[in-house]
Amino acid sequence: KQEVTQIPAALSVPEGENLVLNCSFTDSAIYNLQWFRQDPGKGLTSLLLIQSSQREQTSGRLNASLDKSSGRSTLYIAASQPGDSATYLCAVAGNTPLVFGKGTRLSVIA
Amino acid sequence: NAGVMQNPRHLVRRRGQEARLRCSPMKGHSHVYWYRQLPEEGLKFMVYLQKENIIDESGMPKERFSAEFPKEGPSILRIQQVVRGDSAAYFCASSPGTPETYEQYFGPGTRLTVT
Repeated sequence: KQEVTQIPAALSVPEGENLVLNCSFTDSAIYNLQWFRQDPGKGLTSLLLIQSSQREQTSGRLNASLDKSSGRSTLYIAASQPGDSATYLCAVAGNTPLVFGKGTRLSVIA
Repeated sequence: NAGVMQNPRHLVRRRGQEARLRCSPMKGHSHVYWYRQLPEEGLKFMVYLQKENIIDESGMPKERFSAEFPKEGPSILRIQQVVRGDSAAYFCASSPGTPETYEQYFGPGTRLTVT
């Protein structure tokens, strides 16, 4: 059974800092991995999708990497802003359409 | 292109009543997924449907829960005889093709409260 773990559970950083969020999964037989953002009381916004054959994807200040063999992904956020404050979720698609981690709650302090 | 739409956004039901949650996928998307987020828990997969077919219902509770995605109209998640433990946020997602290849886009969710 696939399990997804995200570390840290919460993170607080000053504005302007670069930061890394971590995601690990137990079964490397995945098709793809998605990173999402969830604001309090809201739905999920898709940030990046990495196919299993890819090593990384970039969108603006975000860069996500995937090491399928070791069961790890990282989300790098450059030059963080207060508007980046949210919960970031990692999810993998395999035998189950998506299995989610519990997320990292990010606070960027102005 | 409108995003995934869900209604109602908030639903209050008394124990024993029925709850019907609706999801309209993005235009051109024929694959729909339902997920549940319990308080202080992560999102859990419930069911995956394609038009008129249930593809994977491995995450659905065996009793009281059912889902459909008819040829015309929205996908419906139906919960019969609700109990307090059903209180959660229910999210719908859609994609233009299979989850192995395509990104899933999520709706804003329906927050169900059972009193």
